[in-house]
Amino acid sequence: NAGVTQTPKFQVLKTGQSMTLQCAQDMNHNSMYWYRQDPGMGLRLIYYSASEGTTDKGEVPNGYNVSRLNKREFSLRLESAAPSQTSVYFCATGRTSGRPAYEQYFGPGTRLTVT
Amino acid sequence: EDKVVQSPLSLVVHEGDTVTLNCSYEVTNFRSLLWYKQEKKAPTFLFMLTSSGIEKKSGRLSSILDKKELFSILNITATQTGDSAVYLCAVSPNDYKLSFGAGTTVTVRA
Repeated sequence: NAGVTQTPKFQVLKTGQSMTLQCAQDMNHNSMYWYRQDPGMGLRLIYYSASEGTTDKGEVPNGYNVSRLNKREFSLRLESAAPSQTSVYFCATGRTSGRPAYEQYFGPGTRLTVT
Repeated sequence: EDKVVQSPLSLVVHEGDTVTLNCSYEVTNFRSLLWYKQEKKAPTFLFMLTSSGIEKKSGRLSSILDKKELFSILNITATQTGDSAVYLCAVSPNDYKLSFGAGTTVTVRA
């Protein structure tokens, strides 16, 4: 079991470029999440998907879009990257059916630099 | 807006010392409090607490929640260099979301 995988691991973008971060899970979890982590700020929720076919904004959604492609995959898109989006991005999953999704399981992260 | 505050921001101890980390919170609808350990990569789950006064233990780590005073502590006894990490506290107001604190960086020196 790979758990939660993310691609790419590292990316450098120029201001204004676009890109999509990919996340896939083989844990059969219903919920999926995208966070960003900046120094001294902990993890901040960008978007989440409680189940296939639904997405909701988190704490810091501006500048991002998401797609829940199927139960396994949840992608995060930056349409026009800005230096303020330089961060480490984590995807996470959680169970919902039969048990609340309190525990979340994290992927290895994508380190994004926007110049 | 949900708020999770951890203290101290960082600390340095020597092997064998005991460490106490604090997490206070304000949320509109509390469901649970979680602790994670992060060692330069993905956070890994440590504990989930939902009831006041019940200690959760795992080896040298333990945690307790006080829902009346809205805080939790995480204790690490007989620290080892492998305990060096960022410890994150998170609060869940519902079935889906977690609100994280900024974390406490623990450095254990040999």
